[in-house]
Amino acid sequence: KNQVEQSPQSLIILEGKNCTLQCNYTVSPFSNLRWYKQDTGRGPVSLTIMTFSENTKSNGRYTATLDADTKQSSLHITASQLSDSASYICVVSDRGSTLGRLYFGRGTQLTVWP
Amino acid sequence: EADIYQTPRYLVIGTGKKITLECSQTMGHDKMYWYQQDPGMELHLIHYSYGVNSTEKGDLSSESTVSRIRTEHFPLTLESARPSHTSQYLCASSPGGGRYEQYFGPGTRLTVT
Repeated sequence: KNQVEQSPQSLIILEGKNCTLQCNYTVSPFSNLRWYKQDTGRGPVSLTIMTFSENTKSNGRYTATLDADTKQSSLHITASQLSDSASYICVVSDRGSTLGRLYFGRGTQLTVWP
Repeated sequence: EADIYQTPRYLVIGTGKKITLECSQTMGHDKMYWYQQDPGMELHLIHYSYGVNSTEKGDLSSESTVSRIRTEHFPLTLESARPSHTSQYLCASSPGGGRYEQYFGPGTRLTVT
């Protein structure tokens, strides 16, 4: 069964600190892995997208890593800001359909305190 | 910021009413999607479309229906709203298949009393 699991479920950090969010998946055949940021009451916004051959990808203070052998990914946030408070969703796309079917994790709810 | 729009953003409606959630995109994307999301839970695909006059049901069974008469427009309709339909509904579009980005609208928060 294609699944995406994220940890931790929620996380509280102080402004300026770094944090790492985890994602494990069982989606096969694998096409790509994405990290989205979803502010409360808004739609998800893409942060990074990585294919099988990519190990790391950065977008400003966000750095995602991918280990396709162990089917694990992480999202590292550097020097957190209050605006980073949001849900971070790991999403995996399979290669088996022309639809572009996405499998979503439940997200990690990050709260950044001043 | 993606050019995909949803209206209304919030809707509170009584049981039994018919509602239509609007979704439109100006990017010319062929593929469009409707997702349902409950608080703290993952997004579930309820409908999708490959293009004009193409609509399919997604993974999560839904009593809603959709239509795709124009490329840019993908409305979702509930003929008779029930409290179990209370949820957030997200529309998305994509220029292609799984290798391509999906762009999400801001969502409609529906509450059925």
